[in-house]
Amino acid sequence: DAGVIQSPRHEVTEMGQEVTLRCKPISGHDYLFWYRQTMMRGLELLIYFNNNVPIDDSGMPEDRFSAKMPNASFSTLKIQPSEPRDSAVYFCASTPKGRETQYFGPGTRLLVL
Amino acid sequence: AQTVTQSQPEMSVQEAETVTLSCTYDTSESDYYLFWYKQPPSRQMILVIRQEAYKQQNATENRFSVNFQKAAKSFSLKISDSQLGDAAMYFCAYRRAGNQFYFGTGTSLTVIP
Repeated sequence: DAGVIQSPRHEVTEMGQEVTLRCKPISGHDYLFWYRQTMMRGLELLIYFNNNVPIDDSGMPEDRFSAKMPNASFSTLKIQPSEPRDSAVYFCASTPKGRETQYFGPGTRLLVL
Repeated sequence: AQTVTQSQPEMSVQEAETVTLSCTYDTSESDYYLFWYKQPPSRQMILVIRQEAYKQQNATENRFSVNFQKAAKSFSLKISDSQLGDAAMYFCAYRRAGNQFYFGTGTSLTVIP
């Protein structure tokens, strides 16, 4: 199994630009999670999906952030417009139905200048 | 609300020695799961060990074991025969029944040769 795949691995952009992060969960997993990790705030849950449906997006910091899961094998996290304080590592994780362990992707390191 | 507290931002251990990382959590639920994840410099989040709250027996995975004290809401990780490759950030995590995860702020472990 390839594990959770995230792209890009690194992203450098300028303030005001749109950023799209991508995630492919492990095949057969029903839950997908987006996290943000910073030194100041640690690992924060942004949003999670169950069977492609958003269940809890209370962690999404503001309207500039949006996430979609159009099918079971793909999800995006979009930031528009991006700001320097959005610089962080963004992780995607997935969990199979009935199981409790999250499997993390390698993360996307975002730098907004 | 569920919170996870790791009171040791940094720890160090001599190679081949034993170290214990602390974690406490706050919950009103009786059915949940607890995890320790390791994050090496590569930033990949790697599952180390997990514990089901309904199990009284402490989980063990090779050199890694936990001391789960449900009444005290404590979940410490013991690493025996520490190796240089154990150097990483360690995160304690709580999973509630609804599949939502909460992470602690992490403990940075240094292994001294």
